[in-house]
Amino acid sequence: DADVTQTPRNRITKTGKRIMLECSQTKGHDRMYWYRQDPGLGLRLIYYSFDVKDINKGEISDGYSVSRQAQAKFSLSLESAIPNQTALYFCATSDSGQGAGETQYFGPGTRLLVL
Amino acid sequence: QKEVEQDPGPLSVPEGAIVSLNCTYSNSAFQYFMWYRQYSRKGPELLMYTYSSGNKEDGRFTAQVDKSSKYISLFIRDSQPSDSATYLCATPAGGFQKLVFGTGTRLLVSP
Repeated sequence: DADVTQTPRNRITKTGKRIMLECSQTKGHDRMYWYRQDPGLGLRLIYYSFDVKDINKGEISDGYSVSRQAQAKFSLSLESAIPNQTALYFCATSDSGQGAGETQYFGPGTRLLVL
Repeated sequence: QKEVEQDPGPLSVPEGAIVSLNCTYSNSAFQYFMWYRQYSRKGPELLMYTYSSGNKEDGRFTAQVDKSSKYISLFIRDSQPSDSATYLCATPAGGFQKLVFGTGTRLLVSP
């Protein structure tokens, strides 16, 4: 089984709808991240969490919220989806014990289309 | 200015060619540099990791950092069609473990 899983893998929704993307990991890592990837813009950090009680905004958090339900689970919500949130979304994890420059492990991504 | 900049490509080469992928970075305080590889419809995965200046070699892959010019490179020798992917450079930024990524360079190796 994959270490970092994301559900759903693909989602089509309409403008104004609330949707949730979920991420689970079995790596035992304490740090989790949500990114979006757009052509020409690369990976951009939306939110990150260094432990269950820690939530931090990333580069592009407007229009998004997150919940760290457990060490292994980190969900991303779009409160009212808009078309420019159409993108590929990735969850990632890392282990703080690695020190500086720690490796991030990515899930397979969720492809979201907002009509 | 973006913290890490990268040519988006695509870069098309024939099988067996030597490939050079490059990034520039803005902050001379950056010391750790990573290359992630992303296959189509997959998440990125760490390919190589270097610290400070110099070269690091792993099989057909060599990562090079030139701190004087704030330039990082990934060389692929004897490129294979299986190397076709998007390559992203990254570095921790902001004084804590938050990675900043380049936009990625798409590489196509034709048989």
